[in-house]
Amino acid sequence: SYVLTQPSSVSVAPGQTATITCGGNKIGSKSVPWYRQRPGLAPVLVVSADGDRPSGIPERFSASNSENTATLTISRVEAGDEADYYCQVWDSSSDHWVFGGGTKLTVL
Amino acid sequence: EVELVEAGGGLVQPGGSLRLSCAASGFTFSSHSMNWVRQAPGKGLEWVSYISSHSHSTHYADSVEGRFTISRDNAKNSLYLQLDNLRAEDTAVYYCARKGIGQDFDIWGQGTLVTVSS
Repeated sequence: SYVLTQPSSVSVAPGQTATITCGGNKIGSKSVPWYRQRPGLAPVLVVSADGDRPSGIPERFSASNSENTATLTISRVEAGDEADYYCQVWDSSSDHWVFGGGTKLTVL
Repeated sequence: EVELVEAGGGLVQPGGSLRLSCAASGFTFSSHSMNWVRQAPGKGLEWVSYISSHSHSTHYADSVEGRFTISRDNAKNSLYLQLDNLRAEDTAVYYCARKGIGQDFDIWGQGTLVTVSS
């Protein structure tokens, strides 16, 4: 089955740029949405499979995807960005959706 | 307002059954495929099951195949998940999620907690 690998944690100072990676075999050929989950709340889509930001998500959130790594970039990080972030793909070989293990973003 | 509201969670003994429901509002429910996703305490997200807009296609995670059944009633704008032969490792918050235009889940419910314990 398809596996997505994320770092368990990333720390960044306010105002700096956070980079969260998602590794997978030939992930560059797949669409990779990203979700934010604040403590005690449901996940929220922050970057769609097409790479767009849903309504209400600031321009500071962007994503890229190449070869074996997809990346979520959060510019000018704020305290409110502190959350768990998950990548996801559709694995057409198994007809399953797969989530990465999640990355806890800490704002120092 | 687009909204998904889950219900039906609770405490159940190992081997028992439970039926979760998800009420949709604010959008044309019959136009969207739907999913269930769960999250064990302190753990990450795990996709559980998918159903197409008119129930022609369903998929299940290997961990629940043969024990869980997804269904929907478009006339009632409702999604369901029948959980049978429950195990301790099925303990989790269960979210319903709408599949977006692409391969993503654009709307999520608030979740309902299922606890499997004797």
